[in-house]
Amino acid sequence: NAGVTQTPKFRILKIGQSMTLQCTQDMNHNYMYWYRQDPGMGLKLIYYSVGAGITDKGEVPNGYNVSRSTTEDFPLRLELAAPSQTSVYFCASSYNGNTDTQYFGPGTRLTVL
Amino acid sequence: AQSVTQPDIHITVSEGASLELRCNYSYGATPYLFWYVQSPGQGLQLLLKYFSGDTLVQGIKGFEAEFKRSQSSFNLRKPSVHWSDAAEYFCAVTRMGGGSNYKLTFGKGTLLTVNP
Repeated sequence: NAGVTQTPKFRILKIGQSMTLQCTQDMNHNYMYWYRQDPGMGLKLIYYSVGAGITDKGEVPNGYNVSRSTTEDFPLRLELAAPSQTSVYFCASSYNGNTDTQYFGPGTRLTVL
Repeated sequence: AQSVTQPDIHITVSEGASLELRCNYSYGATPYLFWYVQSPGQGLQLLLKYFSGDTLVQGIKGFEAEFKRSQSSFNLRKPSVHWSDAAEYFCAVTRMGGGSNYKLTFGKGTLLTVNP
C-alpha cells in the first residue's frame, strides 16, 4: 500500500492564480482531511469528508474548496491564491472519525508570491 | 472549546538521556488524546493514543505517555533518546460526539534536538 499520496511536493504560485492539490489514499478509508501547517502554529483543519459526496468545513476554510467524488480522492482547490495561503498542506485519512488514527501524506509546500 | 498547550517550543537533549515532553489540554468532556511525530520533510505519524483504561500507554519507538486527569496532562516520555528521535512532536485532543465530532485539535508542537 502506498498509503496517502499528495502531489505536487512543491509549488510556487503568483497572487490570483489557481491550483488543485491532489490527495489519494489506497486504504479504503471513509474519512479524509486537509490541514495546513504554519511555522509554530501546529495544524489547522481546512476541510474534511466523511465519505464520497460528503464534505464539510473545518476551522480555516476561507479561500479553499474541496470535492469528494470517490473514496480514494480528495482534491483541495485554491481559486485565487493569496500570500496568506503560503503554507505546508497535509492530507490525511482515517477509517473511522476523529477518534481513529489519522494517516498523513508527505505534504505539499506552497508559496504564493 | 478544546485546546492543547505544549509549553516547550524547543528541547535539546543528549543522546542516551531521558526525555519528557509536556502536554496540557483544556476540555470539558472525556478526552481522546494522541501524540504524533513529524520527521523533517515528512507527514505526521501516530506514536500513541489514549481513550480509556490504563493511564500509562505504550507506543511505537519506545515511547510512552501518562494520562493524569487531575493535572489535565498527557506527557510523553522515553527513557533513552536516540539520534533518530530528533523531530517535531505534536499532542492532539478530540472527543466523541457533538458538533466538533471530526475535529482533532493539535498543539503547536515541540521541536526535539538530539546532541551526540
